[in-house]
Amino acid sequence: DTGVSQDPRHKITKRGQNVTFRCDPISEHNRLYWYRQTLGQGPEFLTYFQNEAQLEKSRLLSDRFSAERPKGSFSTLEIQRTEQGDSAMYLCASSPGTSEYQETQYFGPGTRLLVL
Amino acid sequence: GNSVTQMEGPVTLSEEAFLTINCTYTATGYPSLFWYVQYPGEGLQLLLKATKADDKGSNKGFEATYRKETTSFHLEKGSVQVSDSAVYFCALSAPNTGNQFYFGTGTSLTVIP
Repeated sequence: DTGVSQDPRHKITKRGQNVTFRCDPISEHNRLYWYRQTLGQGPEFLTYFQNEAQLEKSRLLSDRFSAERPKGSFSTLEIQRTEQGDSAMYLCASSPGTSEYQETQYFGPGTRLLVL
Repeated sequence: GNSVTQMEGPVTLSEEAFLTINCTYTATGYPSLFWYVQYPGEGLQLLLKATKADDKGSNKGFEATYRKETTSFHLEKGSVQVSDSAVYFCALSAPNTGNQFYFGTGTSLTVIP
């Protein structure tokens, strides 16, 4: 069990550029989540996958954001036309998918995005 | 709706002091409650959890009891150590909400020798 991994750990980009982040969940975990955390705040939910199906999306996930989990394993989160307000830590988590709402979510180290 | 209100920090304690970090919640249905800890430069780690009323979660000397009547899940530790310095997040997961977690704003704890 190697834990949840995220790549890259840090990303600096210029406003208007596109960025893509990758998350590799714990193997055999069916559920995968993306959260965003800004300085001094708790993580805020963005979206959630059960296997390859994206089942829930937050209102925070504007049209510039898209997430995929094509084979039910790793996931990518893309932000198009980045804005300075997108600067945050992007967290990925996974859970086994064996029970409703009582499961522990296991978090990766996060990708810190800075938009200049 | 679902939300978590957490005691604001930062909190500074001397080693071996008693710790309480308050957490209250509002939720639809009967949520599961969690405490996560984030050490400097690291990701969120589960500290403890409770999934029904009156359950007590415990780990590494930390405890929290799920109190339905007061909608609270306060974190306590009898004697803190310097190594407990971290940010602590209270969170809930509620039925029919897509398994998402709702987090509090976090409480930064610094323990001084």
